[in-house]
Amino acid sequence: AQSVTQLDSHVSVSEGTPVLLRCNYSSSYSPSLFWYVQHPNKGLQLLLKYTSAATLVKGINGFEAEFKKSETSFHLTKPSAHMSDAAEYFCVVSDLPSNTGKLIFGQGTTLQVKP
Amino acid sequence: EAEVAQSPRYKITEKSQAVAFWCDPISGHATLYWYRQILGQGLELLVQFQDESVVDDSQLPKDRFSAERLKGVDSTLKIQPAELGDSAMYLCASSPRLKSSYEQYFGPGTRLTVT
Repeated sequence: AQSVTQLDSHVSVSEGTPVLLRCNYSSSYSPSLFWYVQHPNKGLQLLLKYTSAATLVKGINGFEAEFKKSETSFHLTKPSAHMSDAAEYFCVVSDLPSNTGKLIFGQGTTLQVKP
Repeated sequence: EAEVAQSPRYKITEKSQAVAFWCDPISGHATLYWYRQILGQGLELLVQFQDESVVDDSQLPKDRFSAERLKGVDSTLKIQPAELGDSAMYLCASSPRLKSSYEQYFGPGTRLTVT
């Protein structure tokens, strides 16, 4: 079965320092992977997606993620955190066996950015 | 830019009352999803529609929840009777295709509080 594990429930960084949000996945197939962001009381917004093209994926707002098959990881990074990056981040894998578009969400990582 | 619309944004109801949420997906999107997000947790898929047909409702508590998408466009999710444990954010999402590699576009959600 497909699954994702977000290794940190809470990450705190200072403004201007790098961000690393960790995600490991489990899949018997070549997965499609996504990172979504959710600001307080808002819906989810797609940051970036991996669908078996380039392993380094660039997203919006300066975020990027690298697909590492050998490590079954899809960590999200940003060189310099901004106060507006404070939000909940979800690592997501597609449910490939069903191929119905169903997504499987991690439990989320709360990113706190300190001034 | 086209968006997924949801209403109401906030709903407070008493236990045992009926509540209904409405979702209007992005025009032309055939696939529609309803999710439940309990505070501090990931998203749980309640029901998925392809046009007017239900594709997956395996996690929908059918004794009290119902969902419909009669004309394959907008959708309504109903809870009757509401219970305290139903307090959560209810998110609607849409996708142009029934396929795993397509991202989903989320609405702002309805925050339900059951008292």
